Amino acid sequence: QLQLHESGPGLVKPSETLSLTCSVSGGSISSGGHYWGWLRQPPGKGLEWVGSVDYRGRTYYNPSLKSRVTVSVDTSKTHFSLKLTSVTAADTAVYYCARGGAGSNWPNFDPWGQGLLVTVSS
Amino acid sequence: DIQMTQSPSSLSASVGDRVTITCRASQSISTYLNWYQQKPGKAPKLLIYGASTLQSGVPSRFSGSGSGTHFTLTISSLQPEDFATYYCQQSYSPPPITFGQGTRLDIK
Repeated sequence: QLQLHESGPGLVKPSETLSLTCSVSGGSISSGGHYWGWLRQPPGKGLEWVGSVDYRGRTYYNPSLKSRVTVSVDTSKTHFSLKLTSVTAADTAVYYCARGGAGSNWPNFDPWGQGLLVTVSS
Repeated sequence: DIQMTQSPSSLSASVGDRVTITCRASQSISTYLNWYQQKPGKAPKLLIYGASTLQSGVPSRFSGSGSGTHFTLTISSLQPEDFATYYCQQSYSPPPITFGQGTRLDIK
C-alpha cells in the first residue's frame, strides 16, 4: 500500500527558506507516470495547491507562488521535495504531499501524507 | 483563475438523512471536478473524480453529478463516519488547480 510521509522543520523564520521532503513507500515515484504534489492548508482554512512534479522532473506550479517555489524529485526516486523561499507568516500552514494521477489526471490527488504543520515566526 | 464556490458553507444533518452539497465554477469546466472528504486533523481523501466517478473503496452512498459550471455531491443516507468537511476541486486547464472553500457537515 502506497504511503507518503512529510518531514522537515516545524518552525521557519521569516524571510528564510522552507524545505520539506516527502518520502514514498510501498511504491515507486517512477512507476505509472504519476505526478507528485504539494498542497497546503492554513490553520482553520481551505486547501491550496502549491506545485507538482513527475519522475522526470517536469513541474507545474501555482502561479501565485511560482516565483518562490521549487518542487523536485530525488534521483533515488524515493522522495520528492518542496522549497519555498522568502517565507512570511502567510505561509504558515499544514503542508501535505500527495500522489497525483497519471497523464491528464495529474491533478487528482490520492493518497495524501498525514501533513506537517509549518509555522513561520521569529 | 477559475473560482469554485460551494454551498452551503455549513450544514447540520442527522444519521440517515440524504444530503446534497453544491459546487459552482466561475466558468465551464466540463466534468473536470473532484470531491474530497476531510475529517478533523486528517488529510483529505479523494471521493469522486471526473464529476461522477467513485474512487476505489468509496461507499456507493456517495455520488456526484454535474457538468459545465454546476456540480453536486450527494450522500444518500448519512452515516456517522460521514460527518466531515467536503471540498470540490477543479482540474480544468491547470495550473492552477483550485478548490472550493469547503462545506462542513455536522451532526444535528
